Amino acid sequence: AQTVTQSQPEMSVQEAETVTLSCTYDTSENNYYLFWYKQPPSRQMILVIRQEAYKQQNATENRFSVNFQKAAKSFSLKISDSQLGDTAMYFCAFMTREDFRNAGNMLTFGGGTRLMVKP
Amino acid sequence: DARVTQTPRHKVTEMGQEVTMRCQPILGHNTVFWYRQTMMQGLELLAYFRNRAPLDDSGMPKDRFSAEMPDATLATLKIQPSEPRDSAVYFCASGLADIVNRGFEYEQYFGPGTRLTVT
Repeated sequence: AQTVTQSQPEMSVQEAETVTLSCTYDTSENNYYLFWYKQPPSRQMILVIRQEAYKQQNATENRFSVNFQKAAKSFSLKISDSQLGDTAMYFCAFMTREDFRNAGNMLTFGGGTRLMVKP
Repeated sequence: DARVTQTPRHKVTEMGQEVTMRCQPILGHNTVFWYRQTMMQGLELLAYFRNRAPLDDSGMPKDRFSAEMPDATLATLKIQPSEPRDSAVYFCASGLADIVNRGFEYEQYFGPGTRLTVT
């Protein structure tokens, strides 16, 4: 079974600064996919960024980037130039290729990190 | 702008009453997931469907919960009888699991959630 751990229940950052949210996972599979979802106070779950495990290059989406360390099974999210609108719960999620083949795109979620961006 | 819709957005009911939550997945998607989110348990997967067939509902209390997909455009989650401990936000998500024709699309798209309060 796969597990996803987010060790930081809460974090805060000053507006315009950079913050890194950590995520580790455990799996015996070699082919998998990692995601960061954002859940603002509106409760909507929004996909922020994704990473395929076979790709060595870290994914980047505007101010959001990841540091994917496959050997360490680590998948951290870096938010640059933090904005007030980044205040949200952030969930790390994981899916194996095998899960996808067998069951469709089923995700395993971490417990979440609540991020507060302060003005 | 395709999106997952859920109704109702909010529901307050008394213990013992039946509750039905509805979800309309994105047109063309063939996987549907039901999640429950609470402060204590975080995001829990309750059930999921692929091509309208239930693949796994082991996360769901069978004695009171039931999930169905009467057709490809509607998924329902029913609680009967409801209990105060069922109070939570219930999310529906849909995705496309179609390796052969569409390539590998592995994102889940979440609905806005139904906030259920059982008194």
